[in-house]
Amino acid sequence: DAKTTQPNSMESNEEEPVHLPCNHSTISGTDYIHWYRQLPSQGPEYVIHGLTSNVNNRMASLAIAEDRKSSTLILHRATLRDAAVYYCLARRNYGGSQGNLIFGKGTKLSVKP
Amino acid sequence: NAGVTQTPKFQVLKTGQSMTLQCAQDMNHEYMSWYRQDPGMGLRLIHYSVGAGITDQGEVPNGYNVSRSTTEDFPLRLLSAAPSQTSVYFCASRTGVGGGDSYEQYFGPGTRLTVT
Repeated sequence: DAKTTQPNSMESNEEEPVHLPCNHSTISGTDYIHWYRQLPSQGPEYVIHGLTSNVNNRMASLAIAEDRKSSTLILHRATLRDAAVYYCLARRNYGGSQGNLIFGKGTKLSVKP
Repeated sequence: NAGVTQTPKFQVLKTGQSMTLQCAQDMNHEYMSWYRQDPGMGLRLIHYSVGAGITDQGEVPNGYNVSRSTTEDFPLRLLSAAPSQTSVYFCASRTGVGGGDSYEQYFGPGTRLTVT
């Protein structure tokens, strides 16, 4: 799996958009980009994933650079409940051990009222 | 749906004691895994299973055993607890063990283990 690099922490104001960046310069053509988040004292939860095209779901949007070496998770209107650690992962589209998720330290997002 | 459940929520052990952390899922997922999370760190994979009767090691398997006799259950055993195993343990499951796009992974609420 490709190594991912994220800022250690970011701050946002409530009700404003948040752009969380992730670099994955060694990504291969078959690696999916996944985002998970972990609220305080909880297990991680899935946010979104994609391969090449931008993706939207009810939680967030994922913008993937054309060269796929970076991506951005977009929270359109941050709420206090979005304060969490956000993990960006690059994961191969294979089964068995090559499908394991490898977590880094993530980005701790703080949301100010 | 209960999703992924873990018991106990908290546990304190003395060095050398053994115990089993329980994990169960009711989503008929083939793939299950165990992670540990130390303060300020991301999650590290301990063991995983791609189906009943099949297990394999992850990044940090030493000191832990697993077995998978049913699709639903994936217990993690600490044979002789050490202070270095003080951590929060998360169990996870997902559908699909082959290639494909169905990789949303579901995590349990965690077990906070302290070894003194």
